[in-house]
Amino acid sequence: DAGITQSPRHKVTETGTPVTLRCHQTENHRYMYWYRQDPGHGLRLIHYSYGVKDTDKGEVSDGYSVSRSKTEDFLLTLESATSSQTSVYFCAISWENEKLFFGSGTQLSVL
Amino acid sequence: QKEVEQNSGPLSVPEGAIASLNCTYSDRGSQSFFWYRQYSGKSPELIMSIYSNGDKEDGRFTAQLNKASQYVSLLIRDSQPSDSATYLCAVNSYSGNTPLVFGKGTRLSVIA
Repeated sequence: DAGITQSPRHKVTETGTPVTLRCHQTENHRYMYWYRQDPGHGLRLIHYSYGVKDTDKGEVSDGYSVSRSKTEDFLLTLESATSSQTSVYFCAISWENEKLFFGSGTQLSVL
Repeated sequence: QKEVEQNSGPLSVPEGAIASLNCTYSDRGSQSFFWYRQYSGKSPELIMSIYSNGDKEDGRFTAQLNKASQYVSLLIRDSQPSDSATYLCAVNSYSGNTPLVFGKGTRLSVIA
């Protein structure tokens, strides 16, 4: 999958707990993205990064934060998980903010 | 708000037929256009990109772009059951670091 690894692949957690998802790339791509995908909504951008420590919000950023301290790692944190954050989360990378390559996804269930 | 619109489907075509998937976009400044395929339970994968008006062919796939009409399409010739998937259209307007805008996808079902 274009040298991109998401962890964990599956997670079940309880409402109110913090959760961190990790995206790791070996391609040295400048851009990294976090999306969530829900039935009827398609892919929705949560946050993205255009360089180390350079991040910006997407259309559904409330309740999420990100960090990128190294080129290869982009972390997504749910500060206090809610049931509405149950979703499939995809990380993606891109060299020039054009052609995106996606990770395998993380299925998150918040009970 | 930049938008990319697709018919959600499902679009059902018989095996061997041509499947035609359509996408319209709102930002007239858009410069590059992409088609992704997503099998059920899998991640999206890039299958086509197009940057200029006209047709671009790659095997059984043809992408068509008409910037004046703000319309991009994907044709799949000789459709196979293995083409059954959701097809996502994505558009880039090159506005700073603004990411691609994705449509919600069209589900294609090829009937054997």
